[in-house]
Amino acid sequence: GAVVSQHPSWVICKSGTSVKIECRSLDFQATTMFWYRQFPKQSLMLMATSNEGSKATYEQGVEKDKFLINHASLTLSTLTVTSAHPEDSSFYICSAPDRSSNQPQHFGDGTRLSIL
Amino acid sequence: GQQLNQSPQSMFIQEGEDVSMNCTSSSIFNTWLWYKQDPGEGPVLLIALYKAGELTSNGRLTAQFGITRKDSFLNISASIPSDVGIYFCAGRPNFGNEKLTFGTGTRLTIIP
Repeated sequence: GAVVSQHPSWVICKSGTSVKIECRSLDFQATTMFWYRQFPKQSLMLMATSNEGSKATYEQGVEKDKFLINHASLTLSTLTVTSAHPEDSSFYICSAPDRSSNQPQHFGDGTRLSIL
Repeated sequence: GQQLNQSPQSMFIQEGEDVSMNCTSSSIFNTWLWYKQDPGEGPVLLIALYKAGELTSNGRLTAQFGITRKDSFLNISASIPSDVGIYFCAGRPNFGNEKLTFGTGTRLTIIP
């Protein structure tokens, strides 16, 4: 079945570093992907919608200059957390709908980001 | 952002017991989804519901799309240890909008 792959699965870095997270659809094309953030013991909160070939749309309260999204191909979206600080530490998860089979969103395995 | 109200927040049950959880919203959704999330992993789709009143099963899991389109429930029969995890409902407001709104989650623990 359809699979969404996310990389890296875990990253630890110093405050002030920029971190890039990749989300790939492995056997289907995804013109749209979604990025979520999940804090411990909380639900998934949608951050932004990544659109292939055009700008991402951000949810209210999410800083677009802080969380840069690029969707340059039909199978890859990237989220870059710029100048990360400890409060950005979280579990970041991407998802993509497989429209060719009319399936609901498939989720990646997430990226655990820890900023020291 | 908006979240769906999911209850109970947590459940402690013995192996073999049945489980029931539900999700309610103040607004209408045209699709209801139920996901399970294990620690450190992304959510995995369990059941998708597309029509009001629809009742769908997946093995020991059964879910229903409420007739008002504002609620859904998930039942797990004869629980086993691998059912441990966090269960999330998610709703999609209309077929043209793929954004999902997630429930607050139900943490299921099985007591040995």
